[in-house]
This record gives sequence, structure tokens and C-alpha cells, in this order.
Amino acid sequence: KNEVEQSPQNLTAQEGEFITINCSYSVGISALHWLQQHPGGGIVSLFMLSSGKKKHGRLIATINIQEKHSSLHITASHPRDSAVYICAVRSAYNDMRFGAGTRLTVKP
Amino acid sequence: DSGVTQTPKHLITATGQRVTLRCSPRSGDLSVYWYQQSLDQGLQFLIQYYNGEERAKGNILERFSAQQFPDLHSELNLSSLELGDSALYFCASSPRWENSPLHFGNGTRLTVT
Repeated sequence: KNEVEQSPQNLTAQEGEFITINCSYSVGISALHWLQQHPGGGIVSLFMLSSGKKKHGRLIATINIQEKHSSLHITASHPRDSAVYICAVRSAYNDMRFGAGTRLTVKP
Repeated sequence: DSGVTQTPKHLITATGQRVTLRCSPRSGDLSVYWYQQSLDQGLQFLIQYYNGEERAKGNILERFSAQQFPDLHSELNLSSLELGDSALYFCASSPRWENSPLHFGNGTRLTVT
């Protein structure tokens, strides 16, 4: 079993919909990152969390350390949000472990 | 633009060969991370350097090595290349050695034939 599990694997939404991507992990962590990878391959870091909640524009990320769970929410989704979203954790061993990614397609 | 520069963008080489990938971190960042992304295994963490010293190690093969130089740029050396080493190799940088936001380069696409 992967130590970082994301769900769903694939997600198709209509423009304007509220989207949630989930990440569960089974190792002790010092931080969790949400990354966005566009079809061209480039990776952008969206959030780094060690507790609580962060918001940037239409994106919101939350983490529950006790439950070892994080969510990424996108409000008022737009076709330009179409990308692969990757959850990554910095483990207590200082290495980084990645989820398999969630492929999001937002249709106009 | 993340401020992280990776060269070359593309590299095609033959099995058994050795290549060097280069990464210049964002100005002011002391940490450099290397990652491998292959089609069948997704993103994997290879190694992290902070201010010239190795800080964390992931799934890096013995055929691979890295270093960070005094000017903070980093190189990833891949030797005795195999077909399975074909992948995208990303570099990222951050200001501190842990728990700070990551800035990714555009990656080097390595094809081993």
C-alpha cells in the first residue's frame, strides 16, 4: 500500500463546480505539499502545510494532522485548472513521498 | 518563472553512457532537491542538498550521484545508464533545509536508447 494515497485518481467537472481532492498518508510528517503539474510537464507548488488551512485565490488547502488527511479544494473551477494535482509529504525521515496524482479535467 | 534553471532541457543518450544534469536554484535559496518522474513510477525523491551538504536521501540508485557547489548550483550525475532511467528529472529549490515552499525547474527529459 502506498504511504500517500490520493483520491480520486481522475476527476471530470463542469466549469464553475466546487472540486475536492483528498490525500491520506500513513507516515509521520513534518509538512505536506500540494503540487500542480500542467500537461506541458512543469510543476508548480501550490501550498505547503504543517497545520490548519491556507487559501490562495480560488484554492483552499486543509490538513488534519491527527487524522493524517489533507484536502485541496477548488472553488468556481475553470478549464485552466485542468492539470494533475499531486500530494507530497516530507516524512519524519526527511525524505519526500508522493501520491500518484489526481488528473482533473474541467470542461467549459 | 520559478527562478530555477535546469539544463539541458532534453538529453538523448545510449545505454551505458554517463550524463550530467545541472540545476541553478532560485536566488537566495540554499536547498536543492532532485526528483525523478517516470511514466510507471510517478514522482520520486532522489536527494536533497542544503548549503553544500547532503541533507536527505530518497530512492537514489548507486549509479547516480549529486553534489552542490559553493555557488549553490547542483549537478546530478547518472552513470551506466539503462533504458529504465529514461524519465523527467526535476530540480527544486527552497530557502531553508526543511518546511519551506518548493520552486521547481522545468525539468530535463532524459531518453536512453
